[in-house]
Amino acid sequence: AQSVTQLGSHVSVSEGALVLLRCNYSSSVPPYLFWYVQYPNQGLQLLLKYTTGATLVKGINGFEAEFKKSETSFHLTKPSAHMSDAAEYFCAVSDAGGTSYGKLTFGQGTILTVHP
Amino acid sequence: DTGVSQNPRHKITKRGQNVTFRCDPISEHNRLYWYRQTLGQGPEFLTYFQNEAQLEKSRLLSDRFSAERPKGSFSTLEIQRTEQGDSAMYLCASSLDYLEQYFGPGTRLTVT
Repeated sequence: AQSVTQLGSHVSVSEGALVLLRCNYSSSVPPYLFWYVQYPNQGLQLLLKYTTGATLVKGINGFEAEFKKSETSFHLTKPSAHMSDAAEYFCAVSDAGGTSYGKLTFGQGTILTVHP
Repeated sequence: DTGVSQNPRHKITKRGQNVTFRCDPISEHNRLYWYRQTLGQGPEFLTYFQNEAQLEKSRLLSDRFSAERPKGSFSTLEIQRTEQGDSAMYLCASSLDYLEQYFGPGTRLTVT
């Protein structure tokens, strides 16, 4: 079984500060890892994904994440927060083409607040 | 490509009533997923279709829930004899492969 833990249900940063959202996963097979963002009253939008290859992946809106197998982590970062980054962020895992048909297992989410 | 659409966006129903939600995936996507999201939680997988075949169902999907995808196009999710615990956001997603699921805006169900 797969699971995802997001450390911190709420993160607050100042505009221009570093954003760090933490995600740890558990998987018995090599995972595919994802970060999604959800704005109020909107569906989830994919920020970035890790499948194979380079462990540092870049996504939209200046976000990036690094896959660290030894730490079973996939933390999301952005060097400089913008007010428009305020949203809820979800980390998710799926097994790499196994019997789960690509279904996603999500963490509980982290609400990011950006202060002026 | 207009994205994944879901209807209705909001549904308020009384306990014991039946409700049906519709999901229209991106037209060329053969994979379709349903998830449920309750307040303060991440989405939880409910069921998966590949074309018209329902290939996986979560234990969360009790016998009051049924999903269909006739002809491998749109999908419906029906809940019979709704309970207050069914109140949640129901999300639909479609994809071509394992790598990226595109989510609709969801249907928010409130059971009174």
